Amino acid sequence: EADIYQTPRYLVIGTGKKITLECSQTMGHDKMYWYQQDPGMELHLIHYSYGVNSTEKGDLSSESTVSRIRTEHFPLTLESARPSHTSQYLCASSEWGRGGVYNEQFFGPGTRLTVL
Amino acid sequence: AQRVTQPEKLLSVFKGAPVELKCNYSYSGSPELFWYVQYSRQRLQLLLRHISRESIKGFTADLNKGETSFHLKKPFAQEEDSAMYYCALGGSQGNLIFGKGTKLSVKP
Repeated sequence: EADIYQTPRYLVIGTGKKITLECSQTMGHDKMYWYQQDPGMELHLIHYSYGVNSTEKGDLSSESTVSRIRTEHFPLTLESARPSHTSQYLCASSEWGRGGVYNEQFFGPGTRLTVL
Repeated sequence: AQRVTQPEKLLSVFKGAPVELKCNYSYSGSPELFWYVQYSRQRLQLLLRHISRESIKGFTADLNKGETSFHLKKPFAQEEDSAMYYCALGGSQGNLIFGKGTKLSVKP
């Protein structure tokens, strides 16, 4: 079944650790996105990708990095986690080109990260 | 600056009452606007977009360029409409710019 997956769903980790949040989609989409959302606040785009080997920074400055080696996989990495990174991270994907620029974005279930 | 404002953090109505969730935007070009919804324990999903001009689950939204608004309306609220609603604007990078969201609570 076509879907978008995020692991882990919840992560509690100590300061200074390296972490990777996984995002995979079987939707066949070219475009993928990472959003950050603090409780009660709006979603902020932190990274996006148009396809393999394409990565761009979003509106919100983030110390995280992303890679896009395969179409279906868009992991987000924090080299040294800090308490300020505590947030919810949402991954999304969309088609590219068909129907215009702003195609529907499909969201994963999210990863709730807590850095102690 | 591209911005989406949802002035109400929480909107509480009784079942059968009309609902209007407000959304204002700031955008210099021709905007594309969306409403996304997140039901309890479910993922964020698209509810409707202005270019399709359709009614989904009884909800409609009209783009008013003069007032730079895209309010979401439903004439008779149902309990299953209780959810978090986000207004979003298509940004210049092909991404979406979200408002802070409005929590709709429909009481029996």
